[in-house]
Amino acid sequence: DAKTTQPTSMDCAEGRAANLPCNHSTISGNEYVYWYRQIHSQGPQYIIHGLKNNETNEMASLIITEDRKSSTLILPHATLRDTAVYYCIVNDYKLSFGAGTTVTVRA
Amino acid sequence: GAVVSQHPSRVICKSGTSVKIECRSLDFQATTMFWYRQFPKQSLMLMATSNEGSKATYEQGVEKDKFLINHASLTLSTLTVTSAHPEDSSFYICSACTSRRGGETQYFGPGTRLLVL
Repeated sequence: DAKTTQPTSMDCAEGRAANLPCNHSTISGNEYVYWYRQIHSQGPQYIIHGLKNNETNEMASLIITEDRKSSTLILPHATLRDTAVYYCIVNDYKLSFGAGTTVTVRA
Repeated sequence: GAVVSQHPSRVICKSGTSVKIECRSLDFQATTMFWYRQFPKQSLMLMATSNEGSKATYEQGVEKDKFLINHASLTLSTLTVTSAHPEDSSFYICSACTSRRGGETQYFGPGTRLLVL
């Protein structure tokens, strides 16, 4: 069962903000929204997570809609090293990785 | 913080041999660790949940006698692929779980690439 829906791929320009959308319309009240990314041939890297409120850390910002049915991950200034597959996961203790969004940052 | 290591990073073995992969949480204790497998051009698939001091819980379709998991301490879990065959060749990734700001966050190791000849 796919709990989240993400675009298959997106391109963004180096230095610009990258906005990655995710739909999770069946999320339940106690489930967190997690974002991870996987750079080729490496283990996934934790980016950020949130429950209701918007969150920001040194890597990214997470904007969650008031009804919690969707969210957006924002990479404020994309660099070439941000090229990766980004996974939006609704956490019910186990993580179910879908196909994610393949983000390509272009110079 | 929240660093997870895996050893070895890469292993090549002959068919029929067993391979052990270690997963360590370096700067935190993890009651629960997870083991995943990833085939080329596919996403991660959860194999099993490893709980310290108890038996692992395996996902449907994963043979517990083939993939032996031991979680002997709060910082170490091991996965042993027994009698490995070429179809077991894959990228094996572990994660360790810790509570951060209310959520149970998993931090992943760098992965172990297994090639069975």
